[in-house]
Amino acid sequence: EVQVVESGGGLVKPGGSLRLSCVVSGLAFSDAWMTWVRQAPGKGLECIGRIRGGGGATDYPAPVNDRFTISRDDSRKTLYLQMSRLRTEDTAVYYCTHDSSAYYTLHFWGQGTLVTVSS
Amino acid sequence: QSALTQPASVSGSPGQSITISCTGTSSDVGGYDYVSWYQQLPGKVPKLIISNVSNRPSGVSNRFSGSKSGNTASLTISGLQAEDEADYYCSSYTSSITVAFGGGTKLTVL
Repeated sequence: EVQVVESGGGLVKPGGSLRLSCVVSGLAFSDAWMTWVRQAPGKGLECIGRIRGGGGATDYPAPVNDRFTISRDDSRKTLYLQMSRLRTEDTAVYYCTHDSSAYYTLHFWGQGTLVTVSS
Repeated sequence: QSALTQPASVSGSPGQSITISCTGTSSDVGGYDYVSWYQQLPGKVPKLIISNVSNRPSGVSNRFSGSKSGNTASLTISGLQAEDEADYYCSSYTSSITVAFGGGTKLTVL
């Protein structure tokens, strides 16, 4: 059974930084393509970015490209999302997901971790 | 503004069928057969219900079906049940090597 567990969310001030973690079990993590998705309160889904399996190349959509960094530690089966220069509009639930196709078929989702950016 | 366009809401009575559309462009929906649909029950995590336009993952009811024509994908739910009341999101792989999501459709079972 695949399990995805995020952690690291919380309250942070505008301009601050935060690192989210995601531990994955039940699959060959080093080959897994992983995507971070967020959902602002009452809003829809938004892709933050993706890290590929077997090497760790990343793909980011333009809006958050230079503030968010995705990385992985295959030995710990852990995915990371480093967020910097946070804005109030970054307030959202952040989901760690497993892409089973390499074309953003997000088959397995964590329970999400809430990030609140507020002064 | 979402990259893919979905109706904000749809409704139907138990037993009826409903269809949710998802309109994009030739750079996403029309250009690739990598359209997925997700169901998000109230207060829950999104769940994949359709992948690759029309494939149902194991365990997903066959009342859910997907299709695509040109730049528009569709999700059809037949034999509506009260438990189907949820938000539904479409997504598509894009030529920018990322994913576009629709804004979501709230399904109300009357």
